[in-house]
Amino acid sequence: AAGVIQSPRHLIKEKRETATLKCYPIPRHDTVYWYQQGPGQDPQFLISFYEKMQSDKGSIPDRFSAQQFSDYHSELNMSSLELGDSALYFCASSPPGSGGNQETQYFGPGTRLLVL
Amino acid sequence: AQSVTQLGSHVSVSEGALVLLRCNYSSSVPPYLFWYVQYPNQGLQLLLKYTSAATLVKGINGFEAEFKKSETSFHLTKPSAHMSDAAEYFCAVSWTQGGKLIFGQGTELSVKP
Repeated sequence: AAGVIQSPRHLIKEKRETATLKCYPIPRHDTVYWYQQGPGQDPQFLISFYEKMQSDKGSIPDRFSAQQFSDYHSELNMSSLELGDSALYFCASSPPGSGGNQETQYFGPGTRLLVL
Repeated sequence: AQSVTQLGSHVSVSEGALVLLRCNYSSSVPPYLFWYVQYPNQGLQLLLKYTSAATLVKGINGFEAEFKKSETSFHLTKPSAHMSDAAEYFCAVSWTQGGKLIFGQGTELSVKP
């Protein structure tokens, strides 16, 4: 079965640089979520999109922005990177409500970002 | 504030022994409850979920969890641990369908031969 695809899988950046993380949800899933997992931490919700509109926002820094495109893929843009942004960034997707499984989020493998 | 608490950041069991990982949530309103497993350097894999159907939920790899509203708990169990069960386990809760997940702090399970 198709899974959530994230690219790149690994990324190394310098402080103050920018980074773009991409997420391709499972086909026919219309909701995308982004989470940040710091070293030894639990995943923290950043932002979510439903049908290309922002549906919820968590502890996402103002330096970060995200959007969902017409093909439902999503991108997380990170600017002025700081050392503390080093983390594993997960994307998850969930199916439409009509499928009766809307509450279940399926996670991608993550993008590991290292800021030097 | 809504929260999830996993008791014990590290649990160690012998192979073949019972696995019990504890999870409590902060609200009296039954939410959507999940257990995810994370193997080293990998993503989060769904083990099982509770969505107001049967209170005893069976998942993959022989795991199951029981929802107890009176105790606001959703503990994860497995009758007999296997070496391959060694991983980080996260309890997660959502209070709305399609809403964000709030994760517990995680429990690292070690299995001794």
